[in-house]
Amino acid sequence: KAGVTQTPRYLIKTRGQQVTLSCSPISGHRSVSWYQQTPGQGLQFLFEYFSETQRNKGNFPGRFSGRQFSNSRSEMNVSTLELGDSALYLCASSRTGDNTEAFFGQGTRLTVV
Amino acid sequence: QKEVEQDPGPLSVPEGAIVSLNCTYSNSAFQYFMWYRQYSRKGPELLMYTYSSGNKEDGRFTAQVDKSSKYISLFIRDSQPSDSATYLCAMSPTLSQGGSEKLVFGKGTKLTVNP
Repeated sequence: KAGVTQTPRYLIKTRGQQVTLSCSPISGHRSVSWYQQTPGQGLQFLFEYFSETQRNKGNFPGRFSGRQFSNSRSEMNVSTLELGDSALYLCASSRTGDNTEAFFGQGTRLTVV
Repeated sequence: QKEVEQDPGPLSVPEGAIVSLNCTYSNSAFQYFMWYRQYSRKGPELLMYTYSSGNKEDGRFTAQVDKSSKYISLFIRDSQPSDSATYLCAMSPTLSQGGSEKLVFGKGTKLTVNP
């Protein structure tokens, strides 16, 4: 079956701009979690959506937001980009939010210049 | 003190060696302990997980949890070049991301197995 699809794979943006990243979960999966991965901080949880509702949120500023659509596809948005937002953004999907059943996408590599 | 500490390595071993990867943690509420493998330019994939203390074996991989010491390990026997990847530990008080708790990751250890 098809895996988790993230688009775009690579993105270069300028400081101050905003960006939207997309995640299409595995068919039948209703939970989508987003993570930021950097060499300095490692993998950090951003937020989790289930059936269009945000159920959990990490410790990130309000510039980071997300949403989930009725078909379970999810988007995350980062406004007023900063150099420190350069990272690999990963999403993971699962049927219920169970971490042991979650599958990760390949990620979107965001570079802010 | 960070919640989860993991030596970033890099770790380089010859093919066939036994590899030991470790993490320490400070939050005594953690009950679920996971190990992920991440190949270059890929997302992490779950290798195995354990609940509370004890050992779990899956093929060449063994996970150990010592809650009294707040220390977890992943052992890889008969290591292969295909095991070359970054290994991340992760832990959480609960199984699901759906509540107020969240999965906390170590920074990962980069492993290279040389043929």
